[in-house]
Amino acid sequence: AQKITQTQPGMFVQEKEAVTLDCTYDTSDPSYGLFWYKQPSSGEMIFLIYQGSYDQQNATEGRYSLNFQKARKSANLVISASQLGDSAMYFCAMREVLTGGGNKLTFGTGTQLKVEL
Amino acid sequence: SQTIHQWPATLVQPVGSPLSLECTVEGTSNPNLYWYRQAAGRGLQLLFYSVGIGQISSEVPQNLSASRPQDRQFILSSKKLLLSDSGFYLCAWSVRGRLYNEQFFGPGTRLTVL
Repeated sequence: AQKITQTQPGMFVQEKEAVTLDCTYDTSDPSYGLFWYKQPSSGEMIFLIYQGSYDQQNATEGRYSLNFQKARKSANLVISASQLGDSAMYFCAMREVLTGGGNKLTFGTGTQLKVEL
Repeated sequence: SQTIHQWPATLVQPVGSPLSLECTVEGTSNPNLYWYRQAAGRGLQLLFYSVGIGQISSEVPQNLSASRPQDRQFILSSKKLLLSDSGFYLCAWSVRGRLYNEQFFGPGTRLTVL
């Protein structure tokens, strides 16, 4: 069974600083995908970034980058130049292919990030 | 562009009452559809998924059920709600046929069972 672990229940960062949110995973499937989602207080889940297990380079999307260390089974999210609007809950998730089609996302417990002035 | 709608946004229901939550997707065809539940302070748990009309798979045993009467409509139901059904329910869709694809989530329904 797949498992996602986020060990930081809460993080604080000052505005304009960079912050790293940790995520480790466990799977026996050689082919997998890793996702990060942002959940503001409104509740919606916003897709941020994706990393495939066979991707040679770390994924980047604007201020978001994913520090993918396959041997360590970690997929940490790095947010550069933090903004007040980055304050939210962040979830790491792993894709599992379901029988009959479709993908199941297994989520971690999340990290609550607060950006301070 | 694609959009996903859920309603109602919030719901307060007594124990033992029925439930119907609706999710619709616009701007895409043949999507994979998903229902997740998020308990307070926790991550999301997949409840049901559907790869086509009338095709429903359940991930966890419970007193909830799902139906897909139309290609872009996904409904979550219960005949008798339990206290433990309280939570935040999120519908999501993904492109069918693409293995490495993200899921896009709706705005969610916050359900409180009293």
